[in-house]
Parts: sequence; C-alpha cells; structure tokens
Amino acid sequence: IAGITQAPTSQILAAGRRMTLRCTQDMRHNAMYWYRQDLGLGLRLIHYSNTAGTTGKGEVPDGYSVSRANTDDFPLTLASAVPSQTSVYFCASSDSFQRTGNYGYTFGSGTRLTVV
Amino acid sequence: GEDVEQSLFLSVREGDSSVINCTYTDSSSTYLYWYKQEPGAGLQLLTYIFSNMDMKQDQRLTVLLNKKDKHLSLRIADTQTGDSAIYFCAERVGRNTGGFKTIFGAGTRLFVKA
Repeated sequence: IAGITQAPTSQILAAGRRMTLRCTQDMRHNAMYWYRQDLGLGLRLIHYSNTAGTTGKGEVPDGYSVSRANTDDFPLTLASAVPSQTSVYFCASSDSFQRTGNYGYTFGSGTRLTVV
Repeated sequence: GEDVEQSLFLSVREGDSSVINCTYTDSSSTYLYWYKQEPGAGLQLLTYIFSNMDMKQDQRLTVLLNKKDKHLSLRIADTQTGDSAIYFCAERVGRNTGGFKTIFGAGTRLFVKA
C-alpha cells in the first residue's frame, strides 16, 4: 500500500540522548515535511524539503536537524533530547509537480516521543 | 500575516448535520483543504477546493468558500459516530522565498453523540 512509514511508533527517551525518527515514502513525492503536534497548539512545521538534496527550516527548527539524501527518506534527528520535545511527530509528503493536481499532503501515522 | 483559525470543539447528535467553520487571512491562497484525524492516526486529506470555486460537494461532504470574507466551511450531512475526529482546515499559500507552503489551523474536535 502506497504511503508513508514512520518508525518507531513510540519511544521513551532519556533527556540528553540522541534520537533519529525515520520516515520513508514510496509515492515518489518530491516534497517532505516534519511536524510536531501538541495539545492546544495544532501542527507546527519543524523542517521541510522541497526536493532531494535540499532542506529548509519551519516554525520550530531549534534542537532538530534533517537530511534528504534521496527522494524516499527524510529522517529527523534530535541531537540532545529535552523534555519540551515530548510530542507526537508526523512526517508528510506532497507532490508539488502537479501530477496529483491538489498538492494535498499524505501523512504518516506518527511517532509518539516522550523525553524524561 | 498568515493565520488559519477554527473553533476547537463541536458537538452534534447522530443523524444531524455538522458544520465546521474556518477563517483564513491570506487572500492569495490557491487551494483550501479539510483534513480528518482519527484517534492515534495521522491526518488524512478529506476534501479540497480550488480558490476560484464557491462550493464543492462530495457525497455527505459539502465545502463552501466565501473568498470575500475569507471563510471556509465543511458540512457533514447525516453525521455518524464514525465521523468523530479532529478536522483541520488548511490553505496553500506562496512563500516569501518562492514556492508554496500549507498553513494548518489548530483543528476542530467533532463529538458525535449517539
């Protein structure tokens, strides 16, 4: 089934540890995104990538880094986790080359991260 | 500025119609979207409307767009318990640095009472 796979589905992480959240898509979408979802704050964009080899900062990039070595993968790394990074993280992708015509996003199922 | 606002909660009885409202500020938006998020899942694109349209109907869903007032609504006819979810309004706008981005509202939690 075409879509986005995120791993792990949930994780409890000690503060100060490094963690990489994985995201893989099989739709050949050019653009990919990382959001965090917190109660009362909705979705906030962390980083994005318009095409393989390029990345950009979203609203809340501090403490996070991304890479886009190829079209399919867009990992998100927390270099030194802090409790305020406790959240649900969603990866998404979209086809901005007008093949689908509405530029809507496809989302993964999310990673629930707790930093203690 | 760019902002998408929607009320946080809506409660309806099963069988009634639900109307979820959204206002946005960027008049240059090209597409407007409604996404649905069920518990424990990611967002799923429910429907969308192009900015030159006033209305779009898709089975039980009706989207109304008032560009003058920058108001978007989603009507769900014959609301079922399975429609209980969070509904996100979103708009696609141009970036200052070129290209486009999507702005999401905070989501409206729909409760359907049996």
